[in-house]
Amino acid sequence: GAGVSQSPSNKVTEKGKDVELRCDPISGHTALYWYRQSLGQGLEFLIYFQGNSAPDKSGLPSDRFSAERTGGSVSTLTIQRTQQEDSAVYLCASSLQVNQPQHFGDGTRLSIL
Amino acid sequence: KQEVTQIPAALSVPEGENLVLNCSFTDSAIYNLQWFRQDPGKGLTSLLLIQSSQREQTSGRLNASLDKSSGRSTLYIAASQPGDSATYLCAAMDSNYQLIWGAGTKLIIKP
Repeated sequence: GAGVSQSPSNKVTEKGKDVELRCDPISGHTALYWYRQSLGQGLEFLIYFQGNSAPDKSGLPSDRFSAERTGGSVSTLTIQRTQQEDSAVYLCASSLQVNQPQHFGDGTRLSIL
Repeated sequence: KQEVTQIPAALSVPEGENLVLNCSFTDSAIYNLQWFRQDPGKGLTSLLLIQSSQREQTSGRLNASLDKSSGRSTLYIAASQPGDSATYLCAAMDSNYQLIWGAGTKLIIKP
């Protein structure tokens, strides 16, 4: 597609369930980023990929969060044993290279009941 | 640790005015400084990116400047229009290629 695509656009789940969020970057973009935007708070960096590698995973909030990227394209962010504080909008972005403008998807709005 | 601050938090001006949004950062060791806009319920749109070696970038009615020595960037919007109403975010890319974000300036342009 022409832009960054994220799915699902909305996800409502019960506390304790696992969720998987998907990001399909712009074709040819080598860098891919995940961010979280909580209600009333700013954007929080989670992780980025250069190709299939994630050089720095320190932004992930806890060990319940993991992310992977395969084939230098699609990425999934997995949250295990979800908690209410995980409720937020999860945004994905991609760029040609790490030092280039980032293009964002519309996000996944995650609500934990 | 890099911290990014945006002032003001909110701004309301009449249509047609020129305006300046401010962004400051604490650590000058950045790769670039980026400005985005966010419309309600939407993702972010990249407006301008200033590399650390550059002083400014321009796109249409937008001009962004960067002064690393003072830790400041400004976004200048000329001849504002109601369609410019949005939240404007600045973000500094640190030495680990992480974008550190300001809290944003919510801009309202009154017709």
